[in-house]
Amino acid sequence: DQQVKQNSPSLSVQEGRISILNCDYTNSMFDYFLWYKKYPAEGPTFLISISSIKDKNEDGRFTVFLNKSAKHLSLHIVPSQPGDSAVYFCAAREYSGAGSYQLTFGKGTKLSVIP
Amino acid sequence: NAGVTQTPKFRILKIGQSMTLQCAQDMNHNYMYWYRQDPGMGLKLIYYSVGAGITDKGEVPNGYNVSRSTTEDFPLRLELAAPSQTSVYFCASTRQGSNQPQHFGDGTRLSIL
Repeated sequence: DQQVKQNSPSLSVQEGRISILNCDYTNSMFDYFLWYKKYPAEGPTFLISISSIKDKNEDGRFTVFLNKSAKHLSLHIVPSQPGDSAVYFCAAREYSGAGSYQLTFGKGTKLSVIP
Repeated sequence: NAGVTQTPKFRILKIGQSMTLQCAQDMNHNYMYWYRQDPGMGLKLIYYSVGAGITDKGEVPNGYNVSRSTTEDFPLRLELAAPSQTSVYFCASTRQGSNQPQHFGDGTRLSIL
């Protein structure tokens, strides 16, 4: 039972245009959401996050939107650049007791930005 | 500026062999994690630790063991390697406190034949 779903395995976008990556979740106990970017043969790197009490967070070209009622979040990249080509993972955080948190990851979306 | 360091980067094991995947971080993070990523899948939590001497199971702990004797190191042990453990293993760490992202190593690609 996937608690975090990224339904698009891949996405191709022209350079300079907007990339929109989507993520759905089912667990109401998630309180914080993160996007990670992963290049081949490297570990995931943190990109941007959003708390469940907010609906938008922006950092440069990257904006994350959260629709809590729909249990949906999206990552917008504007403008898209060839260097953005990578796999993007959506992750959701849940408190697991004793001061610790666990992340649940989606399967990832491979973004290709075409020059 | 090493961050999270994982060794080895690649390894091929025979069924039934054992090995230890090493993970070290130099950021004085108290929380450390082990994940595995199978092809086309997201990362799944194997074990985690909230500090030296404290470990706990994640979503897929069977076939693995961990220990945390120091803040810096969090090795993952496979006792009897099985083909189902062929995967890419990632170690991560974070500082205690809300809203701190996990920092990942570059992974260990393990094949069991």
